[in-house]
Amino acid sequence: LAKTTQPISMDSYEGQEVNITCSHNNIATNDYITWYQQFPSQGPRFIIQGYKTKVTNEVASLFIPADRKSSTLSLPRVSLSDTAVYYCLVGDGDSSYKLIFGSGTRLLVRP
Amino acid sequence: GAGVSQSPSNKVTEKGKDVELRCDPISGHTALYWYRQSLGQGLEFLIYFQGNSAPDKSGLPSDRFSAERTGGSVSTLTIQRTQQEDSAVYLCASSSYLQGGNEQFFGPGTRLTVL
Repeated sequence: LAKTTQPISMDSYEGQEVNITCSHNNIATNDYITWYQQFPSQGPRFIIQGYKTKVTNEVASLFIPADRKSSTLSLPRVSLSDTAVYYCLVGDGDSSYKLIFGSGTRLLVRP
Repeated sequence: GAGVSQSPSNKVTEKGKDVELRCDPISGHTALYWYRQSLGQGLEFLIYFQGNSAPDKSGLPSDRFSAERTGGSVSTLTIQRTQQEDSAVYLCASSSYLQGGNEQFFGPGTRLTVL
């Protein structure tokens, strides 16, 4: 399974767009890129998943360049409730049932 | 139920005692996972069930840890002769197996404290 690298922490203000970039140099052909969000005292929650180019849902966008060695989670107009830890995961959807979580990025949204 | 549930939410035990942690997955989800999260750390995979069988137990840290799943639903994680280093939040997740993707739904976790 590919290892991921992401910033330890980020600060932002309400209403701003936040972009969290994850590096995954050893991503394999079959690997998908998935992001999870975790609030204190809760289990992680799936945010978005993609394979290439751009994926958008109601809460976030995921940008994946052509070489797929990195990906960027974009959170539009963050609010205080977006303060959480964000994890980037890479794995083959068929066999990487064991999600490999790194330390994640701790996002703090200030008023 | 609407989501994955776990019990108890908190468990304090003495070193050397056995503990059982329970997970109720989302109805119809065939896959079930156990993870462990130490304070301020990412999640550590423990074991994976597909139905009642566990094809991957590679994450169990020692033979004091075991898990079972019955009826393709409820799972129990048992830790025998608990040690202080077992203190962590134990998270359970379930998923319906999807080709090309695998969104896991997590429960709230059981916070285990071994004194």
